[in-house]
Amino acid sequence: SQQGEEDPQALSIQEGENATMNCSYKTSINNLQWYRQNSGRGLVHLILIRSNEREKHSGRLRVTLDTSKKSSSLLITASRAADTASYFCATDANNYQLIWGAGTKLIIKP
Amino acid sequence: NAGVTQTPKFQVLKTGQSMTLQCAQDMNHEYMSWYRQDPGMGLRLIHYSVGAGITDQGEVPNGYNVSRSTTEDFPLRLLSAAPSQTSVYFCASSLRGLYNEQFFGPGTRLTVL
Repeated sequence: SQQGEEDPQALSIQEGENATMNCSYKTSINNLQWYRQNSGRGLVHLILIRSNEREKHSGRLRVTLDTSKKSSSLLITASRAADTASYFCATDANNYQLIWGAGTKLIIKP
Repeated sequence: NAGVTQTPKFQVLKTGQSMTLQCAQDMNHEYMSWYRQDPGMGLRLIHYSVGAGITDQGEVPNGYNVSRSTTEDFPLRLLSAAPSQTSVYFCASSLRGLYNEQFFGPGTRLTVL
């Protein structure tokens, strides 16, 4: 079962623009994580936000969490070609595993 | 540190064959997991381990076995490969638990004919 669902499924923007992707989930969580996956590679952890946090920053990344709407957003500012990747959210809804969304594929055009 | 390593990178099997996907980590993480990634879907948990000698089933365990004899190694065995097991397999480890930051290996792309 999929807990997190990313939106949009694909996003194509010009280099230098900001990219926003969203994640919605169904049940209460303790934390939500975002990961990046470059083509043909493993996933890399970007940021973890806890349920009592509303916003978190890491470099050019900003993550928000709205537990009342059961949603999170990942904003990448001043995008670069190297940001081209798929982005996944994961939540801790079950008592032994993370539940993953299907991902947003981000393409940064030069 | 090498982090999480997986071998092989690619593998082609015939239906009914068995094989072992290797996973090792050198970060002394207690928690390790195996996932499969299929197109258009999120990662699905196959098996996980919370320490040496302790393993348990995830969301999609059928057709797979695991063991955890050491903290470092967490091999995944396909007992009798089926075309439905064609997928990309990722091993991950974590210091703080299954819900926290996961460190992933580079993956094994498996095709079952």
